[in-house]
Amino acid sequence: QKEVEQDPGPLSVPEGAIVSLNCTYSNSAFQYFMWYRQYSRKGPELLMYTYSSGNKEDGRFTAQVDKSSKYISLFIRDSQPSDSATYLCAMHVGSWGKLQFGAGTQVVVTP
Amino acid sequence: SQTIHQWPATLVQPVGSPLSLECTVEGTSNPNLYWYRQAAGRGLQLLFYSVGIGQISSEVPQNLSASRPQDRQFILSSKKLLLSDSGFYLCAWSTSGANEQYFGPGTRLTVT
Repeated sequence: QKEVEQDPGPLSVPEGAIVSLNCTYSNSAFQYFMWYRQYSRKGPELLMYTYSSGNKEDGRFTAQVDKSSKYISLFIRDSQPSDSATYLCAMHVGSWGKLQFGAGTQVVVTP
Repeated sequence: SQTIHQWPATLVQPVGSPLSLECTVEGTSNPNLYWYRQAAGRGLQLLFYSVGIGQISSEVPQNLSASRPQDRQFILSSKKLLLSDSGFYLCAWSTSGANEQYFGPGTRLTVT
């Protein structure tokens, strides 16, 4: 079993809809959670960074962490065609060590 | 602000040839540096990380090696490429002690 599971998609939504992405994980020691956006043939770009459980909002993006369920989510409101990309979740135990990445979910927002 | 550069952007190399990919970071001092490989449709695999000049840790034993000759320079090398070395190579940096990593634009390597 992988430490971080993420549905690869593709997830296709019409412009203006809410995009809902999620990851599950098995290691209860993870404390720091990140979401990256990766456009085709580009490097990943850090979108959101959260610590512990709860919600964090940044513009159209909301990240949620539910540590009791080992489940994190990213919501994109009012989706735009420019949001079409692969979204990667990543997590960290908080001490020196590597980030654990999900495989990424491909999102397609159709005009 | 900080900037990370990688070159070349794309590379096509025959099997058995050497490899040298370079990564440089601007606007920060003593960063942690990382090399990742991303195979098509798969997640990121950490290859090497470095917390300082000359300090390299390997995550995956293979025919690749890394070096950090200067504080903000990270090099990925191979003496003889294999077909399985094809992929998208990403360099990343983080502030010492921080968890967020910031990625470069990547190098797409095709071994023929």
